[in-house]
Amino acid sequence: DTGVSQDPRHKITKRGQNVTFRCDPISEHNRLYWYRQTLGQGPEFLTYFQNEAQLEKSRLLSDRFSAERPKGSFSTLEIQRTEQGDSAMYLCASDPAKGERSSYNEQFFGPGTRLTVL
Amino acid sequence: GQQLNQSPQSMFIQEGEDVSMNCTSSSIFNTWLWYKQDPGEGPVLLIALYKAGELTSNGRLTAQFGITRKDSFLNISASIPSDVGIYFCAGYRGSNYKLTFGKGTLLTVNP
Repeated sequence: DTGVSQDPRHKITKRGQNVTFRCDPISEHNRLYWYRQTLGQGPEFLTYFQNEAQLEKSRLLSDRFSAERPKGSFSTLEIQRTEQGDSAMYLCASDPAKGERSSYNEQFFGPGTRLTVL
Repeated sequence: GQQLNQSPQSMFIQEGEDVSMNCTSSSIFNTWLWYKQDPGEGPVLLIALYKAGELTSNGRLTAQFGITRKDSFLNISASIPSDVGIYFCAGYRGSNYKLTFGKGTLLTVNP
């Protein structure tokens, strides 16, 4: 399977615990994105990377959230001191980022990680 | 917050019927994308539109990029049960690369 993969698919944690999610983008895709989706809503942008550089962060990304893409391949999203409001689907997407707006900018999503904070 | 208004919020149709849904914004978008999401899964890209007025088909799906660049439409012809799911419009504004999504249209197809 050459699509975007995410691990784990489901995570249940207690309030106050730290959690880390992993995303493996499509091979050779330079841009990687993180989104959060709550019930009844569309995905909302959190942050994105061009190779290993984190280029933009949403106001939704509080200080408890940190994302990394150390070698420009896979990425991790860590949430510290989880709160019940963090419960959501966390989606990762990637695109080739090869130039002007075109089919190279079509974002392909992974299956998501469903986080439940008790 | 989200800036795309998607309608209708939900649709309940009979198998074989055609479906239309749309997405509007007060802002200009440079690219429109339509995704379908099944429960517990990530969105799957259906159609991408890059130019105002563009009309693009993918099988039974047809989408259009509005000439004002502030809206887009998705039509599904001859619906089948596997069309069930949530359809999202999404778009790029300006020169940034983050997608803005609508709230989705929930489609139910009665066999």
